[in-house]
Amino acid sequence: QKEVEQDPGPLSVPEGAIVSLNCTYSNSAFQYFMWYRQYSRKGPELLMYTYSSGNKEDGRFTAQVDKSSKYISLFIRDSQPSDSATYLCAMKGRILFGSEKLVFGKGTKLTVNP
Amino acid sequence: DSGVTQTPKHLITATGQRVTLRCSPRSGDLSVYWYQQSLDQGLQFLIQYYNGEERAKGNILERFSAQQFPDLHSELNLSSLELGDSALYFCAVSPLQSTDTQYFGPGTRLTVL
Repeated sequence: QKEVEQDPGPLSVPEGAIVSLNCTYSNSAFQYFMWYRQYSRKGPELLMYTYSSGNKEDGRFTAQVDKSSKYISLFIRDSQPSDSATYLCAMKGRILFGSEKLVFGKGTKLTVNP
Repeated sequence: DSGVTQTPKHLITATGQRVTLRCSPRSGDLSVYWYQQSLDQGLQFLIQYYNGEERAKGNILERFSAQQFPDLHSELNLSSLELGDSALYFCAVSPLQSTDTQYFGPGTRLTVL
């Protein structure tokens, strides 16, 4: 079983739709959860970062963490064509033996159609 | 724009060759991480340096090595290149005030022919 599972899509939605992106994980040591957005041929850009279970909102984006189910989500409201990108979930545990590496899902490719 | 720079942007080379990729963090970024992104494997952690010292190793091949210099820039050396090494290579940094997050550079696209 992979540490982090993410549906690669692709996901295609009309402009204005609510988008739901999800990841599951198996390692209960993960404590920090992030969502990155990556445009084609660019570096991943940090969108959301959360530590605790529950919801965190930033503009049109809401990150949700359910540690009991080992499940995280990213919701995008009023999606725009500029949101078309690949979305990567990432997570890490506390510093264990000095390692702070991020473990990534494979990414979900999203297209928002005008 | 994260403020992290990587050079070169693109690199095309032949099998068996050796290349060096460079990462320049922002002022105050002590940690540098290297990741490889390929279509089938996704983003894979290679190695981390903190203030000049190796801190953690991931799925880094023995043909690959890295170092971090006193000015905190880092280099990733890839030798005896194989076709399968073709990928995007990213460095990421953690700011001193928040080591929980990482900010990525624009990447170097390596093509091995």
